[in-house]
Amino acid sequence: RKEVEQDPGPFNVPEGATVAFNCTYSNSASQSFFWYRQDCRKEPKLLMSVYSSGNEDGRFTAQLNRASQYISLLIRDSKLSDSATYLCVVNYGGSQGNLIFGKGTKLSVKP
Amino acid sequence: EPEVTQTPSHQVTQMGQEVILRCVPISNHLYFYWYRQILGQKVEFLVSFYNNEISEKSEIFDDQFSVERPDGSNFTLKIRSTKLEDSAMYFCASSPPGRTNEKLFFGSGTQLSVL
Repeated sequence: RKEVEQDPGPFNVPEGATVAFNCTYSNSASQSFFWYRQDCRKEPKLLMSVYSSGNEDGRFTAQLNRASQYISLLIRDSKLSDSATYLCVVNYGGSQGNLIFGKGTKLSVKP
Repeated sequence: EPEVTQTPSHQVTQMGQEVILRCVPISNHLYFYWYRQILGQKVEFLVSFYNNEISEKSEIFDDQFSVERPDGSNFTLKIRSTKLEDSAMYFCASSPPGRTNEKLFFGSGTQLSVL
């Protein structure tokens, strides 16, 4: 069974805080990994891809540990606008675009 | 910035009726998808479409569902005889050719309510 598991949260943090989200996936044959962001009742939007070497985009850092089948997202200096649900997403190597989504971790950044 | 557009934004229908959800993918994209999200649940893959045919479909995408690209711009999802459990947000997505082809761009969705 192909599963992506996330802590549902919510994570309630003050502005400026650093927050980390974790995700595990069940199938070791997984090939591609992503973090998407979803605002309430909106479409998912790609935040960043996740590479084995780790990658950073401004305040966001993503890490992949293939041995542990574990993905993380770190957000530094949280902004109010970061409030959203963060979706861990995996492509198990099926057809193009057959993505498996986690249920998401809700983040609420407070002033 | 180019975007995937979906119409209508809301669709209310009676159980057993046929519905067609419409999507206009980003113009230079070659891969097209439908996903759905039942309220409070995960986003779920329905179907992928490439080169005018279905590449893959999930267990959800049974005989009641079909997709079509009737012209060079539209991509539609048809549900032949809707059930109450088809109520969900349906997202169309597309992705570009080349090395970034796994990065999906989603439309804003059609909220389908089956009564």
